[in-house]
Amino acid sequence: QSVLTQPPSVSAAPGQKVTISCSGSSSNIGNDYVSWYQQLPGTAPKLLIYENNKRPSGIPDRFSGSKSGTSATLGITGLQTGDEADYYCGTWDSSLSGWVFGGGTKLTVL
Amino acid sequence: EVQLVESGGGLVKPGGSLRLSCASSGFTFSGYAMNWVRQAPGKGLEWVSYISRSSGNIFYADSVKGRFTISRDNAKNSLFLLMTSLRVEDTAVYFCAGGSSGLDYWGRGTLVTVSS
Repeated sequence: QSVLTQPPSVSAAPGQKVTISCSGSSSNIGNDYVSWYQQLPGTAPKLLIYENNKRPSGIPDRFSGSKSGTSATLGITGLQTGDEADYYCGTWDSSLSGWVFGGGTKLTVL
Repeated sequence: EVQLVESGGGLVKPGGSLRLSCASSGFTFSGYAMNWVRQAPGKGLEWVSYISRSSGNIFYADSVKGRFTISRDNAKNSLFLLMTSLRVEDTAVYFCAGGSSGLDYWGRGTLVTVSS
């Protein structure tokens, strides 16, 4: 049982847009920045979004993040087959004194 | 280019011990807190442990508290995880991760298998 709640899967057609939600509480999302990670099959997680809505160098602007209260959302536009991956939200939890993650969302580009 | 390279994984019997290492290059290792995160086969990410830049603050997940010990050597740009009293449920790929926003950079991971 993950501390943060994400939908297990989402899907959309190439070129379309998809959003992935991440729900938490006042001790985690409500109290700190949210990051998003992309994990392609068989590889390590890669930082996609940090501080709720910032993109590291090299991440295309097709990827966006937002946060409101105790929830966060990852948006991906112009879907490509290469975007098929597992996506995780993560943040620091002040009550647990540790990082917490969502259970991961598998994106399928039909 | 930032590189984090984990090593030390392998097959160990329940109750046994392993010491994982993470060698860093391409970034100011001593300037950032570091973490260990694991992923059991077919499962999601689970944070394991955190160590601050100067080792003054250390935290553990409840699942490993009292059994795992995190440490770092800033002079050698290295992070460590001593794992004792290993259990079958500790089987996972262990990643080291760190950076200015917390988990910016990740290594490729090292597989730990606990089985009799």
